[in-house]
Amino acid sequence: GAVVSQHPSRVICKSGTSVKIECRSLDFQATTMFWYRQFPKQSLMLMATSNEGSKATYEQGVEKDKFLINHASLTLSTLTVTSAHPEDSSFYICSAPPGPYNSPLHFGNGTRLTVT
Amino acid sequence: AQKITQTQPGMFVQEKEAVTLDCTYDTSDPSYGLFWYKQPSSGEMIFLIYQGSYDQQNATEGRYSLNFQKARKSANLVISASQLGDSAMYFCAMSQNTGFQKLVFGTGTRLLVSP
Repeated sequence: GAVVSQHPSRVICKSGTSVKIECRSLDFQATTMFWYRQFPKQSLMLMATSNEGSKATYEQGVEKDKFLINHASLTLSTLTVTSAHPEDSSFYICSAPPGPYNSPLHFGNGTRLTVT
Repeated sequence: AQKITQTQPGMFVQEKEAVTLDCTYDTSDPSYGLFWYKQPSSGEMIFLIYQGSYDQQNATEGRYSLNFQKARKSANLVISASQLGDSAMYFCAMSQNTGFQKLVFGTGTRLLVSP
């Protein structure tokens, strides 16, 4: 079945550094991928829509310069948290539709980011 | 704007019993999709079931069924014959149109299945 791979699954970084999270569609092509953020014991909040070959679309309140998204190929989208701060610590999870318009979104396993 | 409300932060059920997880939604769009996802402690999101706004019959997938009451704007998930492995967070979500694209999630319900 359709698989979305996310890497790393867990990362700890120091405040002020940048962290890159990769989201790959392993057996299908994804022109669109979605990045979500989940705080502990809370719901998933959509951060941005990643579009292959064009700029990402960010949700209201999400800082574009803070969360850089690149979707350079049909199988890879990356989220870079720049100049990370402790308040950026969260669970980040990507998703992609594996097929036609009415195909269920498949999610990666998520990345738990801890900024110290 | 679309909104999903899950009023049950936690639910308990005994193994082999059925349980209903509540979900209400709000939207002004005539076309929308409703979803349930399961999130185990490991974090991955597992798709369970989908209901389109124009679907006449309630969706069913194995032990999962979606009780869709359009007039009440509710889309409750019914899990029959609960198993210990069903213990997880359950999220109700909605999409614009009837596609499976960008989703808005509810706050989730933690289900605990006891032996």
